[in-house]
This record gives sequence, structure tokens and C-alpha cells, in this order.
Amino acid sequence: LAKTTQPISMDSYEGQEVNITCSHNNIATNDYITWYQQFPSQGPRFIIQGYKTKVTNEVASLFIPADRKSSTLSLPRVSLSDTAVYYCLVGSSASKIIFGSGTRLSIRP
Amino acid sequence: GAVVSQHPSWVICKSGTSVKIECRSLDFQATTMFWYRQFPKQSLMLMATSNEGSKATYEQGVEKDKFLINHASLTLSTLTVTSAHPEDSSFYICSALAGRPNEKLFFGSGTQLSVL
Repeated sequence: LAKTTQPISMDSYEGQEVNITCSHNNIATNDYITWYQQFPSQGPRFIIQGYKTKVTNEVASLFIPADRKSSTLSLPRVSLSDTAVYYCLVGSSASKIIFGSGTRLSIRP
Repeated sequence: GAVVSQHPSWVICKSGTSVKIECRSLDFQATTMFWYRQFPKQSLMLMATSNEGSKATYEQGVEKDKFLINHASLTLSTLTVTSAHPEDSSFYICSALAGRPNEKLFFGSGTQLSVL
């Protein structure tokens, strides 16, 4: 299973765009990249998933370069409620899902 | 998205007693479910993989006789913490794979266990 590396923490302000980058140098051909959000005392919540190039949904965008060795989660116009821990996971449905350390995002007024 | 229901949300028990946590997939069938444990300010740690109709696969360092997992149906997996001790106090989270074309994990809301 590919190991992922993310910044431990990030700070931003309301209304700003936040980009969180994840490195996964050993990603396999069958692996997808999935991002989750977790609030305190809750289970993680699925945000977005992609394989290559760009994926966008109603809450975020995911940018994946051609070599797929990294990915960037983009949160447009963040609010205080986006304060959470964000996890980048790499794998396929056939693989064990191991969580990395995640990125603790703090949004200030 | 798929819904995973986990109960109870929190439980307090005395040392030496056993506690059962239930994880249900409400609108899909889950052949495989995963159980995680999380300490404050830390990431999720995979404890075991629960397979319907067969024995669970435990991660290294996780005592299978202490953390009993039963996955008797395609919609229910249970984790029983036997003879609980204060060091077993933690946040336990279950999850299941669902979705197309590529499956992704959907998580329960978690169970906060406090052992006195």
C-alpha cells in the first residue's frame, strides 16, 4: 500500500482557497486517490476521489499530475466549518486502507 | 452515498466487563468491513478486516481474543471488547467499502469507549 505524506497542519482564513498537497511516490497502477474529512469525535467523511487529471464536485477539486506521485485537494472559499483533519488515502478496493497522519486544517475568522 | 450505522455512540463500562459495538450497512451489502481505533489527536489505526462468513484478519499487535469480531451477515459486523481495561478506552470506528466504479470507504459515526 502506498505511503502518503501530508503537512501536519495548515492555517487559513475564511473566504480563502486552501490547497492541501499529498505525496504518494509509490502509487500503484490500480490505485485511486481518495480524500476524507474528519471532525472531532466523528467518523471520517468521503470528500472526493480521483485517478488522474482533475476531478471536481460540489465541495472540492482534486488535482493529480500526470505522474500521479502527488495530489492536491483544493477547498474553495473555506469557512469556519471546514476546520477539520483531512486525510489522503491511496489504494484500490482490493487493498488494505491505512491512514496516514492527516492534515489538521484550522480556519480563522 | 452509502450509509454505515454504528452503535452505541458512546459507552462507559467497568473494568473487566465486555462491550459490544455494532456496525451496520443500511443501504448496501458489505462483504468486507474494517475496524479502526483512534486515540486523541492521532490518526486512525486499522485493527482488523472483517469478512462476512469467515474469520477476521487482525493487524499485527491486535489481540484477536480481546477484540472479537463477528461478521455473520452482509449488513452487520460486531466488535466485542472483552474484559475491558482502562487502556482500551478509545474511539472505535467501523467502515465498509461501497460505490462504483471504484469502491471507497464509508464510515460509521464512531463509538467512544471509556473503561473505568
